[in-house]
Amino acid sequence: QVQLVESGGGVVQPGGSLRLSCAASGFSVSRSAMHWVRQAPGKGLEWVAIIRNDETNKYYSDSVRGRFTISRDNSKNTLYLQMNSLRPDDTAVYFCAKDLDDYGDYVFAYWGQGTLVTVSS
Amino acid sequence: DMQMTQSPSSVSASVGDTVSFTCRASQYISHYLHWYQQKPGKAPKLLINGASALRSGVPSRFSGSGSGTDFTLTITSLQPEDFATYYCQQSFIAPYTFGQGTKLEIK
Repeated sequence: QVQLVESGGGVVQPGGSLRLSCAASGFSVSRSAMHWVRQAPGKGLEWVAIIRNDETNKYYSDSVRGRFTISRDNSKNTLYLQMNSLRPDDTAVYFCAKDLDDYGDYVFAYWGQGTLVTVSS
Repeated sequence: DMQMTQSPSSVSASVGDTVSFTCRASQYISHYLHWYQQKPGKAPKLLINGASALRSGVPSRFSGSGSGTDFTLTITSLQPEDFATYYCQQSFIAPYTFGQGTKLEIK
């Protein structure tokens, strides 16, 4: 069955960097559209980024574009989120999610358990 | 940006009750509306996609309806495990926004 396990969260100072990982099993990330979605403490959900199954198409929310990069390693069946120039308002639980459609319909069918990123001095 | 407004923000109900939540889009989104359930400390779970398509394994007491700008999630015969926060989300146009959530609490 589909399983997603995030890791890499932690505490980082403003302006710092962090890389999140999402290890997938039960399916191939190379044939799937994958997302990152975040949730600030006590707040709602915010879509962050998508990498489509063709890998050339990657899109980002306005709030992270130019600072975050989504990527994947097909040999490790793992999704990544490189986060640079972090700001306090990036503090959130970050979830990876598998799209319902392999190309990407922006419907989040399967989710990992999330990893907490705290940006604070 | 497309705004998704859920109402009410919270509701109290008893086991066995029927409840309905609404989600309103600020612009037309056809049927590109999806419902998620989230329990404290857990990831969201997709319940309904395309406004009314129940996901495999989701109990039939959950149902969704609507099209255009106004949508409803209905839960009949509430069970203890249904008390959670429910989010709607549109996939019609970027950014692919969520509503602010409706918290369903036990009365």
